[in-house]
Amino acid sequence: RKEVEQDPGPFNVPEGATVAFNCTYSNSASQSFFWYRQDCRKEPKLLMSVYSSGNEDGRFTAQLNRASQYISLLIRDSKLSDSATYLCVVNPGYQKVTFGTGTKLQVIP
Amino acid sequence: NAGVTQTPKFRVLKTGQSMTLLCAQDMNHEYMYWYRQDPGMGLRLIHYSVGEGTTAKGEVPDGYNVSRLKKQNFLLGLESAAPSQTSVYFCASRDGVAALHFGNGTRLTVT
Repeated sequence: RKEVEQDPGPFNVPEGATVAFNCTYSNSASQSFFWYRQDCRKEPKLLMSVYSSGNEDGRFTAQLNRASQYISLLIRDSKLSDSATYLCVVNPGYQKVTFGTGTKLQVIP
Repeated sequence: NAGVTQTPKFRVLKTGQSMTLLCAQDMNHEYMYWYRQDPGMGLRLIHYSVGEGTTAKGEVPDGYNVSRLKKQNFLLGLESAAPSQTSVYFCASRDGVAALHFGNGTRLTVT
């Protein structure tokens, strides 16, 4: 089983739609979790950290479910500019950082 | 504030040539990482460092060497480049379990 798994997509959604991505992880001792956004041929950029209590940043909501070992990202009112690849990042410890392969989102006019 | 700076941004090598990629960070971060990204493969960890003078292997270390002589710099070396090393290389740094900060990437082509 991969350490971090994501559905590669693509998810093709119309503008204004709500879309959700999940990411599962295998190491139950993982300590911190993040969602990154990556545009084509650019470096990944931090979108948001993921906290156990759930957290929201504008149209974006992240959730962590430790019992089922997954994190989720919800995007409301999708914009064309949201089109990108979304990477799930899991930190099992102080040294190693593990990336999912990413979920591609395409928002359609 | 520069953050993480990678040089060069682009490079074309012939098979068997050597080169060094430089990563510099000005955030006083302890941990630094080198990843490669290939289409459909996601980010794969090559080597990492948890502090000045220390290095460790990641998932795909073969064909690469690294050095961390100064805290702010993490060098990635290719001693004898191969076409399989054609990729986009990203350097990143962080403190503790905080989020990673990435450089802009180096696009390497080996012919």
